[in-house]
Amino acid sequence: ELKVEQNPLFLSMQEGKNYTIYCNYSTTSDRLYWYRQDPGKSLESLFVLLSNGAVKQEGRLMASLDTKARLSTLHITAAVHDLSATYFCAVDRGSTLGRLYFGRGTQLTVWP
Amino acid sequence: GAVVSQHPSRVICKSGTSVKIECRSLDFQATTMFWYRQFPKKSLMLMATSNEGSKATYEQGVEKDKFLINHASLTLSTLTVTSAHPEDSSFYICSARDSGRAGTQYFGPGTRLLVL
Repeated sequence: ELKVEQNPLFLSMQEGKNYTIYCNYSTTSDRLYWYRQDPGKSLESLFVLLSNGAVKQEGRLMASLDTKARLSTLHITAAVHDLSATYFCAVDRGSTLGRLYFGRGTQLTVWP
Repeated sequence: GAVVSQHPSRVICKSGTSVKIECRSLDFQATTMFWYRQFPKKSLMLMATSNEGSKATYEQGVEKDKFLINHASLTLSTLTVTSAHPEDSSFYICSARDSGRAGTQYFGPGTRLLVL
């Protein structure tokens, strides 16, 4: 079974700082997703990465994909409090049904 | 972006009763929908894959007689928690796969179930 590992699981950072969340997966994948979840809410789609070397940016978040290393990163630039949330990566290995395999999530807290 | 709705958003019920949760894709057709369960501060756990017009595929350890899934149309899947018990209390999230948009999945807002 495909395994997805995220680290760190907990991240506490000061506003203005930079940090990277890592997502490793165990087998070849068709696409990789990053989601954000606020407390008590469902998942909000952030990025879909479809190919090796893909890089996408939205505001202070940038996601990249290295399919050879089976690694995706979510980089946070100059963090602000509004980024506090739990971030999940999920991998679709290209099956017909499109089942996603989720990481355990990274709980991010940004403090002043 | 595509929208997936869930109803109800929150439900409280007594032990022994059954609860039905609906998942609808509002602006696309979804031959496949997924049902997840999430415990506090945990990741999503896939319960079953719902396929329009056929039986759902359940993950190992999920009781198919307890969690009944029906995917009657290309825009609606339902999850019925039968004879609910307090341990069934959880956050249930559905997702729908849009085959027309390269199979991208869109998540519903979730249903919080509390069984007393």
